[in-house]
Amino acid sequence: EVQLVESGGGLVKPGGSLRLSCAASGFTFSSYSMNWVRQAPGKGLEWVSSISSSSSYIYYADSVKGRFTISRDNAKNSLYLQMNSLRAEDTAVYYCARGSLDRWGQGTLVTVSS
Amino acid sequence: AIQMTQSPSSLSASVGDRVTITCRASQGIRNDLGWYQQKPGKAPKLLIYAASSLQSGVPSRFSGSGSGTDFTLTISSLQPEDFATYYCLQDYNYPRTFGGGTKVEIK
Repeated sequence: EVQLVESGGGLVKPGGSLRLSCAASGFTFSSYSMNWVRQAPGKGLEWVSSISSSSSYIYYADSVKGRFTISRDNAKNSLYLQMNSLRAEDTAVYYCARGSLDRWGQGTLVTVSS
Repeated sequence: AIQMTQSPSSLSASVGDRVTITCRASQGIRNDLGWYQQKPGKAPKLLIYAASSLQSGVPSRFSGSGSGTDFTLTISSLQPEDFATYYCLQDYNYPRTFGGGTKVEIK
């Protein structure tokens, strides 16, 4: 069974940093691109970042470019999102999603507030 | 970035109704479009990929059509478990972009 489990969310002050993780199981992680998508409270879905299977290709939304860094460790079946210079508008549930966004984790909440 | 305009933003319907949701892309995206269902407090679930292909395990009352710039999600006979918010997503290029969502409520 495909499973994606996010962790690392929490409360952080504006300007702070946080690192999200996504543990994958039930499929060959190294064969799939991976993604982060977020959803602010009461709002719609926003794509954040994608990384190819071998990390050769990386893409970011303009809203996070220069502040967030996506990475992966295929040996550990894990996806990461390093978030720096956090702003109030980054407050959201962050989901990791496989490949063409066919499977999603349950999400982890990031709250940026003083 | 490609803009995805989804309509309506909300609708009220009864069990058994036929429901249609549309998504329009600001430029042609071939058939690189997916439809997602999201229930409160849950992750989105893929219903349709490549505009008209039914994801495994999804009931056949869901169908998708369209190509280029105009796409449609149809629920042929609305069931109680279908009350949710629906989103389209273009995966033609980066940045990926979602439609604004359609909330399907009980009439």
